[in-house]
Amino acid sequence: AAGVIQSPRHLIKEKRETATLKCYPIPRHDTVYWYQQGPGQDPQFLISFYEKMQSDKGSIPDRFSAQQFSDYHSELNMSSLELGDSALYFCASSGRGRETQYFGPGTRLLVL
Amino acid sequence: AQSVTQLDSQVPVFEEAPVELRCNYSSSVSVYLFWYVQYPNQGLQLLLKYLSGSTLVKGINGFEAEFNKSQTSFHLRKPSVHISDTAEYCCAVKIGGGQKLVFGQGTRLTINP
Repeated sequence: AAGVIQSPRHLIKEKRETATLKCYPIPRHDTVYWYQQGPGQDPQFLISFYEKMQSDKGSIPDRFSAQQFSDYHSELNMSSLELGDSALYFCASSGRGRETQYFGPGTRLLVL
Repeated sequence: AQSVTQLDSQVPVFEEAPVELRCNYSSSVSVYLFWYVQYPNQGLQLLLKYLSGSTLVKGINGFEAEFNKSQTSFHLRKPSVHISDTAEYCCAVKIGGGQKLVFGQGTRLTINP
């Protein structure tokens, strides 16, 4: 079965640079979620979108923005990167009912 | 605020032994409960979930969990573990109609031969 696709899988950036992470949900899923998992930490919710509208917001820094497009894929844009942004970024998607979230493999971001 | 507590950060067990990974949550409203497994350098894979109905839920790879509302727990169990079960196990809660999952700190399960 098709799963959530994230790209790139690995990304290395310098401080103050920008990064764009992409997420392609499972087909027919209309909701996407972004989580950040720092080293040795549990995943923290950043933001979610339902039918291209922001549906919930967590601890997402103002330097980050995200959107969901008409084909339901989502992009997380990160500007003025800091060392502390180094983490594993997960995208998840859910379908009708939205009870269960299915996670992608994650994008590992390293900020130098 | 809602929270999820996984009491054991690491659990070492011998192969073919039973295991229980503990998860407690705090919430006064209805919850959905999940266990995810994270293998090294991989994403979170859904093991099992409790949404409603029978409090004993069965998942993949021989795992099961029991929802105990009075004790606000959702412990994960497997009667006989295998080397391939070595991974990080994450308990998560979705509160009422909310969107986000709140995760526990994770439990690293190590299987010794």
